Amino acid sequence: ETGVTQTPRHLVMGMTNKKSLKCEQHLGHNAMYWYKQSAKKPLELMFVYSLEERVENNSVPSRFSPECPNSSHLFLHLHTLQPEDSALYLCASSHPPGQGYNEQFFGPGTRLTVL
Amino acid sequence: EDKVVQSPLSLVVHEGDTVTLNCSYEVTNFRSLLWYKQEKKAPTFLFMLTSSGIEKKSGRLSSILDKKELFSILNITATQTGDSAIYLCAVEPLGYNQGGKLIFGQGTELSVKP
Repeated sequence: ETGVTQTPRHLVMGMTNKKSLKCEQHLGHNAMYWYKQSAKKPLELMFVYSLEERVENNSVPSRFSPECPNSSHLFLHLHTLQPEDSALYLCASSHPPGQGYNEQFFGPGTRLTVL
Repeated sequence: EDKVVQSPLSLVVHEGDTVTLNCSYEVTNFRSLLWYKQEKKAPTFLFMLTSSGIEKKSGRLSSILDKKELFSILNITATQTGDSAIYLCAVEPLGYNQGGKLIFGQGTELSVKP
């Protein structure tokens, strides 16, 4: 596989469920990102990991919990979500911030619906 | 507050037309500006611009940056139905504590009719 992959592609969950989104990159990058894309709104950066350490957390609610076990994998653990959390969740990767320019490559996204 | 504004928000053209998409930005310290094309799901990278006045070109697409006036344009000539997509503009601020942040605009939804 090449590029950035995400699973699942679609997810429907209730507000009391716990689920996880997975992202994997095959580009040799060392930085990974989670974005939220809601209808008619700009992409919102949620989390940044560089060299497996979190370097940015844009005041995301604690019901979203990221995990980066190594430079190729990134997870987003979800629990007790709200209907307004329904959105497309995109993962991206790049070379670490500060090392060259930040050209980010995106995965196909997970379409999340919270009932 | 750093922000990126794209215009128009949506555009409908016919095949063969030429279109110009606009992106203006306000950022404390500028590092680069990026254009992406988003068709169904994953945004795909088009261009990165760092210097004023230098055109980047790829086939029928081209882009240029004006750092003095704080904007960029994306041109598509001889449009095809396959160009239909949302075009995203993003700016990367400069600064150690920016942590790889990209600030995105709302996107321009382009529809090319046969």
